[in-house]
Amino acid sequence: EVVMTQSPLSLPVTLGQSASISCRSSQSLVQSDGNTYLNWFQQRPGQSPRRLIYKVSNRESGVPDRFSGSGSGTDFTLKISRVEAEDVGVYYCMQGTHWPRTFGQGTKVEIK
Amino acid sequence: EVQLVESGGGLVQPGGSLRLSCAASGFTFTSYWMTWVRQAPEKGLEWVASIKEDGSEKYYVDSVKGRFTISRDNAKNSLHLQMNSLRAEDTAVYYCARETNTRDWGQGTLVTVSS
Repeated sequence: EVVMTQSPLSLPVTLGQSASISCRSSQSLVQSDGNTYLNWFQQRPGQSPRRLIYKVSNRESGVPDRFSGSGSGTDFTLKISRVEAEDVGVYYCMQGTHWPRTFGQGTKVEIK
Repeated sequence: EVQLVESGGGLVQPGGSLRLSCAASGFTFTSYWMTWVRQAPEKGLEWVASIKEDGSEKYYVDSVKGRFTISRDNAKNSLHLQMNSLRAEDTAVYYCARETNTRDWGQGTLVTVSS
């Protein structure tokens, strides 16, 4: 199975500053159709996960443009610009290229 | 608006069975793969199983193979997860999600396996 490794696992940030989360996969996530199925999710305390980004860099409708995804192959990044209080929660990457689907361990974002 | 509403969770003894359901609305159910994801208490997310639009393909995480069965009723826009031979480590909130890339999620249903 493809192992997804996130870092850091804990990320204290100052309001208004930016934050970056890394996600590395043990195999390339480029599928035979040419797409790279790397997703990012946000889980706020007490809530269900919500998909923020799909196919590396595509934002879901309603997701603020402060969130951006980048990367290729096996190395991906989620960046949050100008962190706000509502961004507190756990962020997960997930690969949708190989079976079984696999998630990263999660990165907890908190305000300093 | 997409809605996914899970039900069927509860307390069950080790070795017991439980059947989860997910009622889907707000989209054309027959056009999408569907997925179950679980989250053990204070732990991360774990993909459990996915099923193709017509039910012809199913995939499972190794830890549930032979014990869990994913199915769907396209006439009733519903997804199911039959869970047999339950173990303590199956204790989790189980989420229903649209697509194999889990585009939309339900609110989850809690399954507790304990004597």
